[in-house]
Amino acid sequence: SQTIHQWPATLVQPVGSPLSLECTVEGTSNPNLYWYRQAAGRGLQLLFYSVGIGQISSEVPQNLSASRPQDRQFILSSKKLLLSDSGFYLCAWNSGQTSTPYEQYFGPGTRLTVT
Amino acid sequence: GNSVTQMEGPVTLSEEAFLTINCTYTATGYPSLFWYVQYPGEGLQLLLKATKADDKGSNKGFEATYRKETTSFHLEKGSVQVSDSAVYFCALGTSGYSTLTFGKGTMLLVSP
Repeated sequence: SQTIHQWPATLVQPVGSPLSLECTVEGTSNPNLYWYRQAAGRGLQLLFYSVGIGQISSEVPQNLSASRPQDRQFILSSKKLLLSDSGFYLCAWNSGQTSTPYEQYFGPGTRLTVT
Repeated sequence: GNSVTQMEGPVTLSEEAFLTINCTYTATGYPSLFWYVQYPGEGLQLLLKATKADDKGSNKGFEATYRKETTSFHLEKGSVQVSDSAVYFCALGTSGYSTLTFGKGTMLLVSP
């Protein structure tokens, strides 16, 4: 079966510091991968998605970036964090091979607090 | 463009009450529709889905019917439990690169 991992689970970082969040998927190959942010009391905002190694699409301009160095690894980064980057970051995956190619499976999330 | 509108919460119910959370959508083409549930501090879990008009998705006592004529996918449960307290998200997916469009979520609070 497939599983998705995210780490760290929680993170407290000062303004201006760098960021690296990691997401890995097990039990599948060539997944589509997604990064979402959920601000307090708000819905989900799609940040980036990737359909393959080295292929990144950005949905919202911001000071965040994403990379996919391996098939099942997706990394969210920032060179300098802003207070507005605080939130709950969720990674998700899906496979175009299923009968419903659009459903996504989510990781446990990373709670980021920028102080 | 695609959009999903959910009723604003929180929805506050007593245990064993009937639940309805409204969801309407706007989409091009023929979307698939989903309900996700998020328990406090956790990621989203797929609750149920429907891929074409008149399909009924169901899971754990929850149901939702894909109504193309009213562009709706309302979530219902006949008797809620305290453990159902969570945030519920309605979502749709269309052809393309398989991204989903989410509603803003509806918080459900069930008291004993």
